[in-house]
Amino acid sequence: DAMVIQNPRYQVTQFGKPVTLSCSQTLNHNVMYWYQQKSSQAPKLLFHYYDKDFNNEADTPDNFQSRRPNTSFCFLDIRSPGLGDAAMYLCATSREGRGRTEAFFGQGTRLTVV
Amino acid sequence: SQQGEEDPQALSIQEGENATMNCSYKTSINNLQWYRQNSGRGLVHLILIRSNEREKHSGRLRVTLDTSKKSSSLLITASRAADTASYFCATGGGSQGNLIFGKGTKLSVKP
Repeated sequence: DAMVIQNPRYQVTQFGKPVTLSCSQTLNHNVMYWYQQKSSQAPKLLFHYYDKDFNNEADTPDNFQSRRPNTSFCFLDIRSPGLGDAAMYLCATSREGRGRTEAFFGQGTRLTVV
Repeated sequence: SQQGEEDPQALSIQEGENATMNCSYKTSINNLQWYRQNSGRGLVHLILIRSNEREKHSGRLRVTLDTSKKSSSLLITASRAADTASYFCATGGGSQGNLIFGKGTKLSVKP
């Protein structure tokens, strides 16, 4: 009955080699978020979609891009991963934007850069 | 950008004891939410308290909110070993816009 599904759970990529992480939802929520979480730190918001409208956080590096082809799917593209991009990447959805309702998280994708 | 601070950063208690975690934030908010994260997993929503509410209960959880002090607390009563996890507060709908997380409290409950 998973509602927010992230694939893969673990991803190993080479330094500088583009990588894509995927997220799908069965909740039909308007909003999808991508967070980056490094070890023992808080999740850090990278960007979010409200429907098709893309909203980038001011301090998100250009190396990170996102696509949302339809309501159910959202992708995180890292164009040239560096060692500092190794982290857990969390996808979340919510019914309303601006944090006004609870968020539902996937299990995360742990990215290793070698 | 991060919104606030949880206090303490780590808490170790015995099963059956109560655990209290505090969260402070900096900007105006629409609501404050608490989430739980087991090691290496995603976050699970626990409770949402709106800015016009002062206290909310859900099972063994009790959350308070003081908007004048920009702070919230999460109390877990009669803790169990299964409560061992990291707990994060997150502010929603405020001047910063989206759901912004604090640094978290790592709770360890010893059987």
